[in-house]
Amino acid sequence: GQQLNQSPQSMFIQEGEDVSMNCTSSSIFNTWLWYKQDPGEGPVLLIALYKAGELTSNGRLTAQFGITRKDSFLNISASIPSDVGIYFCAGQDAGGTSYGKLTFGQGTILTVHP
Amino acid sequence: SAVISQKPSRDICQRGTSLTIQCQVDSQVTMMFWYRQQPGQSLTLIATANQGSEATYESGFVIDKFPISRPNLTFSTLTVSNMSPEDSSIYLCSVERLAGGQETQYFGPGTRLLVL
Repeated sequence: GQQLNQSPQSMFIQEGEDVSMNCTSSSIFNTWLWYKQDPGEGPVLLIALYKAGELTSNGRLTAQFGITRKDSFLNISASIPSDVGIYFCAGQDAGGTSYGKLTFGQGTILTVHP
Repeated sequence: SAVISQKPSRDICQRGTSLTIQCQVDSQVTMMFWYRQQPGQSLTLIATANQGSEATYESGFVIDKFPISRPNLTFSTLTVSNMSPEDSSIYLCSVERLAGGQETQYFGPGTRLLVL
């Protein structure tokens, strides 16, 4: 089956630093999504990417859909303490019996020191 | 986005019992899904909840263990049957909704289950 490799597994950074994380897949996805999960909460959608090569920003967050459709990255600029949490990438199938199914990466645990 | 609620938010259950989790959406959606997140792990799709027909289960998940109902386009239930400690997880429902002209998936707050 499809697998997503997300890295790094964890990051410890100082407030104000930039952060970068990425996901690679063994197969193609039609959509890449990035979520953040806070303790005790469900994942919250940060950015959705629908076209190969697409670069999308949401405030301090920037994400790109890789041109090969097998990878994506998420950058966070000028990190703040509330950026702490677990970040997940997810690839979405678009057709056949797998319609709508999300395959998730293992997650990146982000810790921001004030 | 979508307003999704789940009940219960958390529960502690004895092994051998069953628990039914409810998912309610603020408006009609075509696609609803159930995911499991084991402690310290990522999310894994259990099944797609189909309105008017049987749910579509992913490999490793069976209807006898995780029966699902989808009586209408705003509501679904997931039952965790004959529970064991290995079923201790967060169970999340999600829905697909149009955002910016594209279908995007949103998650509920989750149900935290501990089986003793």
